[in-house]
Amino acid sequence: AQSVTQLGSHVSVSEGALVLLRCNYSSSVPPYLFWYVQYPNQGLQLLLKYTTGATLVKGINGFEAEFKKSETSFHLTKPSAHMSDAAEYFCAVSVGSSASKIIFGSGTRLSIRP
Amino acid sequence: KAGVTQTPRYLIKTRGQQVTLSCSPISGHRSVSWYQQTPGQGLQFLFEYFSETQRNKGNFPGRFSGRQFSNSRSEMNVSTLELGDSALYLCASSPNPDPTDTQYFGPGTRLTVL
Repeated sequence: AQSVTQLGSHVSVSEGALVLLRCNYSSSVPPYLFWYVQYPNQGLQLLLKYTTGATLVKGINGFEAEFKKSETSFHLTKPSAHMSDAAEYFCAVSVGSSASKIIFGSGTRLSIRP
Repeated sequence: KAGVTQTPRYLIKTRGQQVTLSCSPISGHRSVSWYQQTPGQGLQFLFEYFSETQRNKGNFPGRFSGRQFSNSRSEMNVSTLELGDSALYLCASSPNPDPTDTQYFGPGTRLTVL
């Protein structure tokens, strides 16, 4: 069965520091992988996705993620954190033939220290 | 282009009542999915509609139901409300139910059951 594990329910970094949010997945077939961000009282917004092709995926707001099949990982990074990056981040894996058959991780809350 | 809209944004109901939530997808999007988000269970898939047909259903009791209209707008209904139904209900739309299609989420309806 497919699953997603996000390591660390809460990550705190200083403004300007590297952001690293960890995500490992389990899938018996080649996965489609996603990172979403959720700001308070809002829905989810897609940051980036991996379907096929280049394993380094660039997304919005300066974020990127690398699909590493050998490590079953899809970690999210940003070189320099900004205060506006404070939000909850969800890693997700698509498990079927439909966009909705998606399993979300438990989320990581990112805090930015001034 | 207008985003996904959900109405109402907030609801307060008492146990035993029923509730109907509405979702209007992005213009041209024919696939609509519903998710429940709670602090304990995280994000869980409820169901997906495409061309007025339910394509997929998550692991929720029959009290949860939905439908889609010819204009792609969707409603979900929860009958005999329980305290545990308190959650943020998110609707997402995509052009088609393709697993590589990006899902666009609405801001959600926050349901509180007293």
